Amino acid sequence: GNSVTQMEGPVTLSEEAFLTINCTYTATGYPSLFWYVQYPGEGLQLLLKATKADDKGSNKGFEATYRKETTSFHLEKGSVQVSDSAVYFCALSALGGGDMRFGAGTRLTVKP
Amino acid sequence: ETGVTQTPRHLVMGMTNKKSLKCEQHLGHNAMYWYKQSAKKPLELMFVYNFKEQTENNSVPSRFSPECPNSSHLFLHLHTLQPEDSALYLCASSQAGPKTHEQYFGPGTRLTVT
Repeated sequence: GNSVTQMEGPVTLSEEAFLTINCTYTATGYPSLFWYVQYPGEGLQLLLKATKADDKGSNKGFEATYRKETTSFHLEKGSVQVSDSAVYFCALSALGGGDMRFGAGTRLTVKP
Repeated sequence: ETGVTQTPRHLVMGMTNKKSLKCEQHLGHNAMYWYKQSAKKPLELMFVYNFKEQTENNSVPSRFSPECPNSSHLFLHLHTLQPEDSALYLCASSQAGPKTHEQYFGPGTRLTVT
């Protein structure tokens, strides 16, 4: 079945450090891939998405490229801020509707 | 109101109580979802509704009873819960159909069962 594996946290970085959170997937067909972010006390917010191979999703300085050859969708940001502290979820959807599969989440803490 | 709203935001209930969680989406979507988020566990999909019809029930105990009266509203009726049901309950919505669509989440209801 479809599944997502993302790097376990927690991840702690200093402000302005480079961020990578790894995500790999297993899916039949051609899934769409997503990164969601959850700030403390809130629900999940869509951060970025990519719907086909080689697409790059980007938002708020975050980027992720859909790599079909390595079945990966790693999240990157060149310079993190304290306000980026949150839990990040990688997800895929291959059939639409209720088929979305989420990774376990990676907690990021950015220290000043 | 915009996006997906959930009420109440916090709920404390005893094991013999009956309560309901409410979700409303203002995005014109026609699919709605209930998820359970527990500490140190992956997000668990509980129920899926497409065009008001329940299309998925992931082996959820009968003490959780969903209701979807129209495409904008979703309820989760709770009765005789257990302490292990304490969690954050998230509602989401999306477009339905064969294409993949992102889901939009509400802020959640933090449920504590005493």
